[in-house]
Amino acid sequence: DSGVTQTPKHLITATGQRVTLRCSPRSGDLSVYWYQQSLDQGLQFLIQYYNGEERAKGNILERFSAQQFPDLHSELNLSSLELGDSALYFCASSVGLSTYSYEQYFGPGTRLTVT
Amino acid sequence: GNSVTQMEGPVTLSEEAFLTINCTYTATGYPSLFWYVQYPGEGLQLLLKATKADDKGSNKGFEATYRKETTSFHLEKGSVQVSDSAVYFCALIPLQGAQKLVFGQGTRLTINP
Repeated sequence: DSGVTQTPKHLITATGQRVTLRCSPRSGDLSVYWYQQSLDQGLQFLIQYYNGEERAKGNILERFSAQQFPDLHSELNLSSLELGDSALYFCASSVGLSTYSYEQYFGPGTRLTVT
Repeated sequence: GNSVTQMEGPVTLSEEAFLTINCTYTATGYPSLFWYVQYPGEGLQLLLKATKADDKGSNKGFEATYRKETTSFHLEKGSVQVSDSAVYFCALIPLQGAQKLVFGQGTRLTINP
């Protein structure tokens, strides 16, 4: 158990809908990362937050957004869903930003199926 | 840009066989290198890491050495077990810029008894 929790574990929804994925980082970790795992794209970095502030963006679609709350949990919002958004979404956390705190611990993931 | 290339899978071995999964990278400077493992139905677990040239990461019988001359970080294990069956990902974090993990495509390993 990495200490990172994600809910829900599975999500099935229809095209055009909007969903919210939730992540709670390990106790004491200030950085949260979101990754998408799909068969065709592999594991792709989406976005990073540190202590409530956005720090880095990757291949995140404009239909997707995220935020990190004062209690450090994070939510990833996916809207106007398309079939191609079906994937495993992972959250990871690390202590901070310095060179010595880059080890990222992953949650179990949320499997999103868009029908 | 930064990228990681792993050997194509799937890889199927018999129990107690020697394992090598090749990984090479492209990056500016000297990134930190990682191997993650994903067991069926689970998230990614950090298996081992190395942060500078000639460092050897090791864990659970697995080893990988950071080779800057060949920009490689090959994963090895002397005697695999059925419980090692999983997908293995090589990854890097660049020295500068965002602390995002850049992953290889993953190698599925199956160990037969």
